[in-house]
Amino acid sequence: AQSVTQPDIHITVSEGASLELRCNYSYGATPYLFWYVQSPGQGLQLLLKYFSGDTLVQGIKGFEAEFKRSQSSFNLRKPSVHWSDAAEYFCARGGSQGNLIFGKGTKLSVKP
Amino acid sequence: GAGVSQSPSNKVTEKGKDVELRCDPISGHTALYWYRQSLGQGLEFLIYFQGNSAPDKSGLPSDRFSAERTGGSVSTLTIQRTQQEDSAVYLCASSPPQAPRETQYFGPGTRLLVL
Repeated sequence: AQSVTQPDIHITVSEGASLELRCNYSYGATPYLFWYVQSPGQGLQLLLKYFSGDTLVQGIKGFEAEFKRSQSSFNLRKPSVHWSDAAEYFCARGGSQGNLIFGKGTKLSVKP
Repeated sequence: GAGVSQSPSNKVTEKGKDVELRCDPISGHTALYWYRQSLGQGLEFLIYFQGNSAPDKSGLPSDRFSAERTGGSVSTLTIQRTQQEDSAVYLCASSPPQAPRETQYFGPGTRLLVL
């Protein structure tokens, strides 16, 4: 079955440090891939998406993600984290009905 | 322009009552999706509309759940005889016609609490 795995439930980084959130997808040909962010009590905001082409994708808020077919991964990165980045991050892939299949999410805490 | 809107933003109901959740997609968006977000299950896909039709309703958790969309715009998700396990955040998303359907813009959600 199509699925998305985010191995890290909770990550804490210091403000100004670099960040990498892991995401792996399973099953089949290269899917469409997405990263969303959700702040407490808010809806989901699209950070970036990958459909095809260049495997390094730039998104909003200084985030980027790299698609690696050999590892079935689509990890999210940011070179320098800001306190306002504290939120929950969801990786997702496209499903058979054009729906999104989400990972369980990674909660990011930022230390001052 | 205006984003996806959902109402009510919060709903508290008693077990056994029916509830209706409403979604107003972004104007011109043809595809509309409902998801449920709960602590135990994460984000689950419920149903999708292309125009007014829903090709596949198998994602709905039980026959107490139904959804409709009228005029290719507003959608309503109805839960009959609510149960405590229905407590969750119900998210709606819409997708523009010129992009892959997976390019979805989400509303703020309706937080449903069943007592």
